[in-house]
Amino acid sequence: DAGITQSPRYKITETGRQVTLMCHQTWSHSYMFWYRQDLGHGLRLIYYSAAADITDKGEVPDGYVVSRSKTENFPLTLESATRSQTSVYFCASSDGRVTGELFFGEGSRLTVL
Amino acid sequence: ELKVEQNPLFLSMQEGKNYTIYCNYSTTSDRLYWYRQDPGKSLESLFVLLSNGAVKQEGRLMASLDTKARLSTLHITAAVHDLSATYFCAGSNTGTASKLTFGTGTRLQVTL
Repeated sequence: DAGITQSPRYKITETGRQVTLMCHQTWSHSYMFWYRQDLGHGLRLIYYSAAADITDKGEVPDGYVVSRSKTENFPLTLESATRSQTSVYFCASSDGRVTGELFFGEGSRLTVL
Repeated sequence: ELKVEQNPLFLSMQEGKNYTIYCNYSTTSDRLYWYRQDPGKSLESLFVLLSNGAVKQEGRLMASLDTKARLSTLHITAAVHDLSATYFCAGSNTGTASKLTFGTGTRLQVTL
């Protein structure tokens, strides 16, 4: 079935480790986004991509790296995880047309010890 | 930079009552979105409001947009327990398709 999937759904890691969260969508949407959700902050945009090989920073990009070599995939990498990056991460996609509506994945809960 | 503020942050209401959640935004936003999130789940799109004066209704929920006042409202009519969730509004910066700025959310608890 078409949709947007994230993996892993749950991850525990240690400070300083590299972690990659995967996001895959089957709608061929041009836009993809990574948000983090923390209590009291709502959702904050980390990075987004308008198309393959085009990425841009959002509100809270420090400590994160993204790439988009294929339209359907948008991985998020924490190069050296810190405790402050403990959060729930949501990937989303949009076709960027009239409504600009975002469709979200199920989320990846990351704990950094 | 677009900023979005919701109030209240927490709302406890009895079944059968009406209430309104408010969403204010700081600069021009050409569209406004409402999402619902159940605990531990993803975000589900409820409404997309694309123009001034837009009103949309689905069941007991009705959303409206006043771009001149930079205000959107989500009105709940005769609340039922199943509406218990966190509701987010989000705005879109003009010219930046789909790049949404979210409010901090309103946690709605409907009690019997």
